[in-house]
Amino acid sequence: KNQVEQSPQSLIILEGKNCTLQCNYTVSPFSNLRWYKQDTGRGPVSLTIMTFSENTKSNGRYTATLDADTKQSSLHITASQLSDSASYICVVSRTGGGNKLTFGTGTQLKVEL
Amino acid sequence: GAVVSQHPSWVICKSGTSVKIECRSLDFQATTMFWYRQFPKQSLMLMATSNEGSKATYEQGVEKDKFLINHASLTLSTLTVTSAHPEDSSFYICSARDPGAHLTGGYTFGSGTRLTVV
Repeated sequence: KNQVEQSPQSLIILEGKNCTLQCNYTVSPFSNLRWYKQDTGRGPVSLTIMTFSENTKSNGRYTATLDADTKQSSLHITASQLSDSASYICVVSRTGGGNKLTFGTGTQLKVEL
Repeated sequence: GAVVSQHPSWVICKSGTSVKIECRSLDFQATTMFWYRQFPKQSLMLMATSNEGSKATYEQGVEKDKFLINHASLTLSTLTVTSAHPEDSSFYICSARDPGAHLTGGYTFGSGTRLTVV
């Protein structure tokens, strides 16, 4: 069964600190993996997208890694800001299959002073 | 970059009435759009895939007669919740596919619509 699991479910960190979010997937055949940021009451906004051959990709303070062999990905946030408080969703796309995306349940991040 | 506009951002309606939600791709043509539903603290659940000029493909368990989808042009898809009931209260999000959008990998989401049925 195609699944995407994320951990932790929720996380609280102090402003300025770094954090790493995890994503494990069983989606096959793999096409690409995306990380989205979803603010409360808003639609998801893309942070990064990685294909099979990419191990890491950065977007400002966000750095995503991908290990296609172990089917794991991580999203590292450096120097966190209050505005980073949001849900971070890992989404995996499979080849063929009508372009359907498999969504993780997200990690709820709260950055506090 | 690719922008998807979703309207309204929130709506409150009486039980038994119908509500229409619009999803527009502003700077690209979207042959395929997707409609999702999201309950609090849960992930997005695909409801249906909307293809321009043809009937939508609904996911298992989604009532096509209750959630009417129309994709009459390459830039507009609409979702109509018919005879809404309180259990239909949820956050509805659309997504449009733009293969030319590099960062998004071809999928751009709207800002969502909060539907509350009273």
